[in-house]
Formats: sequence, C-alpha cells, structure tokens
Amino acid sequence: GEDVEQSLFLSVREGDSSVINCTYTDSSSTYLYWYKQEPGAGLQLLTYIFSNMDMKQDQRLTVLLNKKDKHLSLRIADTQTGDSAIYFCAERRQGGKLIFGQGTELSVKP
Amino acid sequence: DGGITQSPKYLFRKEGQNVTLSCEQNLNHDAMYWYRQDPGQGLRLIYYSQIVNDFQKGDIAEGYSVSREKKESFPLTVTSAQKNPTAFYLCASSITWDTNYGYTFGSGTRLTVV
Repeated sequence: GEDVEQSLFLSVREGDSSVINCTYTDSSSTYLYWYKQEPGAGLQLLTYIFSNMDMKQDQRLTVLLNKKDKHLSLRIADTQTGDSAIYFCAERRQGGKLIFGQGTELSVKP
Repeated sequence: DGGITQSPKYLFRKEGQNVTLSCEQNLNHDAMYWYRQDPGQGLRLIYYSQIVNDFQKGDIAEGYSVSREKKESFPLTVTSAQKNPTAFYLCASSITWDTNYGYTFGSGTRLTVV
C-alpha cells in the first residue's frame, strides 16, 4: 500500500523504555525520520537515519532500521513524563516527497 | 532567531467564507509546504512549493489555494468549496525540495468552522 503505518497509542511507566514502531512502504526510500509533536504545537525533528544504516543512537534515542522488512523503530530509554507526545515516522521517497505515518501517541505515567 | 511563523494560532470561520492562513519563514529556505492534520490520520499534504513563483497540488488540494510570490511567504486560502475545513494546519519549509535534512515546521493554526 501507499501508507506509512504506526500504531496509534502506547502507554509506559516513567523510567521504562518506550519502543515506537513504524512500517514504511518504499524500499527505495533513502532517509527515514522521527518527529515529535507536543500538544498544540508543530513537529520537531528528533532524528533521522540513512537507509544504508541499521542503527543510530543519540543520547536516550535509538533508531533501528530493518530494510528487508521495511520496519523502523524508535526506542526511548528511561522515558520521562516530558516525553509524552505524538511521534511521527516519515520516509523520504524518490523525488524528495516526505510521507508521514499517522502518529503514535505516547503516554508516560508516573 | 530563524524559524517559521504561522498566524493566527486559532481561527474561526463561518460557513461559506474564505479564510487565509499565514506562513512566513526567515530561514532562506527554497521549499515550503502545507499539511492538514486530523486526529488519527497523520499529516496530509495540501500544496507545496519547490521555489518562489511555483507551486504544485498535493494529495488533498481540492478546496484550497496558495500563492508563492515571495520566498519567505506561502499563504494558504481555505475556500468555501472545502467541505470539511475544521482541522489543524501545519506549514513547513526545507532548504531545498530534495534535501535530506527534513523539514522545519511552524506551530500550526487551528481552524474551526462555526
């Protein structure tokens, strides 16, 4: 299909790890992105990964890419209440267009 | 500080009226975009502009119009032909259309039809 798929909701306890999953569609996509949206705000770029990489780590964030299965995940270590937000994955298709998933709403409970 | 400014933050429109949403950037970016966000549906592309004086329809352009007369400005008009305009509208920009660095987003305008 044409869509980038994400589950809509994830709930974790403060201090646990969160894993947000995404399935994209175009095997020729060159870059994949994770954005964060806090309530009533725009999207903030968290991190991105080039398609020839399997993993990228940036402080508490770890991105894993399984190109064979077209699966992308974002792991947030030691999740805090300030991490509560909607997380969007996006793929950059041939020609430059960014296609976004539906977003996963992460709820962090104290 | 460089960034994208969307105004107003909240907008109310009566049925049958056109309304224009403002988007201004001082990042010297060539490309600009308008997205519509509805709960559970993610972001859908309305229009985009790769360079000044040029723009193309996105996936859901019906009932919307844009202009790109200046590099820093990309206003979106929601016309009376748009059947369900109540939504959160996001403007974004990027250095170039084909950059790998992703987009910079504004803080959004919430439009409500009353």
